[in-house]
Amino acid sequence: GAVVSQHPSRVICKSGTSVKIECRSLDFQATTMFWYRQFPKQSLMLMATSNEGSKATYEQGVEKDKFLINHASLTLSTLTVTSAHPEDSSFYICSAEAGVYEQFFGPGTRLTVL
Amino acid sequence: DAKTTQPPSMDCAEGRAANLPCNHSTISGNEYVYWYRQIHSQGPQYIIHGLKNNETNEMASLIITEDRKSSTLILPHATLRDTAVYYCIVERNRDDKIIFGKGTRLHILP
Repeated sequence: GAVVSQHPSRVICKSGTSVKIECRSLDFQATTMFWYRQFPKQSLMLMATSNEGSKATYEQGVEKDKFLINHASLTLSTLTVTSAHPEDSSFYICSAEAGVYEQFFGPGTRLTVL
Repeated sequence: DAKTTQPPSMDCAEGRAANLPCNHSTISGNEYVYWYRQIHSQGPQYIIHGLKNNETNEMASLIITEDRKSSTLILPHATLRDTAVYYCIVERNRDDKIIFGKGTRLHILP
């Protein structure tokens, strides 16, 4: 299947700093990517839909000014957690659409905010 | 909200077939049934999907009832590496979002 990568795999930062997470589709182009967040022992929660060349669409309750999403090319979407706080510590996962009904997930990024 | 119902957990002996059920009684005629799994601290992995007919690939088999209100994922010879949370998902709204439910935590017993 298609491969989606994320960078970094783990990040530790101080409270108040911003962190950028990259999501790349390695062998296909994706006009649509998705960002999820997962807290321990919980399911994945969809945060936003990232569309190449246009603004992201955020799910209800997700702060767009705190979680900045940029989808600058057909193979790259970035999620920036601005002014991170300990409650933002989570496992962030992206996915990318390779075609109709084909969606592949990245390996995830574990964010720890001290 | 997720449109599926799955048991929260199941056990299966190593080497035996693991049968994971899923209820999707409100499924629409053009909605597919997808299965993903998530091994601890990894991203979800696609397993299989189907519309009406039973499907089989190198990982698993998917059995969909004739009325399409339920399905079963079958791992024919479970191994310890199959320990994971298995998600049954009914595709999807017109925005193509995948909404995850709570899934089934499958424990493979040695």
